Amino acid sequence: ETGVTQTPRHLVMGMTNKKSLKCEQHLGHNAMYWYKQSAKKPLELMFVYSLEERVENNSVPSRFSPECPNSSHLFLHLHTLQPEDSALYLCASSQELKDRTDTQYFGPGTRLTVL
Amino acid sequence: GQNIDQPTEMTATEGAIVQINCTYQTSGFNGLFWYQQHAGEAPTFLSYNVLDGLEEKGRFSSFLSRSKGYSYLLLKELQMKDSASYLCAVMDSNYQLIWGAGTKLIIKP
Repeated sequence: ETGVTQTPRHLVMGMTNKKSLKCEQHLGHNAMYWYKQSAKKPLELMFVYSLEERVENNSVPSRFSPECPNSSHLFLHLHTLQPEDSALYLCASSQELKDRTDTQYFGPGTRLTVL
Repeated sequence: GQNIDQPTEMTATEGAIVQINCTYQTSGFNGLFWYQQHAGEAPTFLSYNVLDGLEEKGRFSSFLSRSKGYSYLLLKELQMKDSASYLCAVMDSNYQLIWGAGTKLIIKP
């Protein structure tokens, strides 16, 4: 138990569906992250939030839309996805964004399958 | 470009020692992290190195050589529960983590 929870753990959706992934951290951290993990590939950073402000968006397609209503919650809204978007989506949090000793704590991920 | 290289898969025997290597080329360096990820679970933090040398933490040790752009994770007295993927990540000058693809470690009895 890392103090970061994600729901749902598994999601199957069609290309025309709209769904949302939820992440909650119970660690009192100020920074939150969305990553995409595909088999045998490095983790891809998608979005970074610091104190509810988006500070990074790594050229992610607009069919992925993040939302951070407060420093404990992070959402990833999904719309009109493609089969190649099937992956494990990981949420992480850390105390501060620009502290070089900062450890990121990960949730268990949502396994997404797009049909 | 920025790059982290580590072996895709390694196999070792229960009770033995294994060394997982990681080489990196990044824009700046603010430390190197090792994470462990069991199948279907969250990556969990193992170690952080920012100065050259060896950091020991129980059965696990991590080594860093900044001049060589090289690190390794050493696992001693291997147990079956050590079967997992081990992820190497470097924090670059923008404080962004650059990740390797991970090394899948298989432990055999």
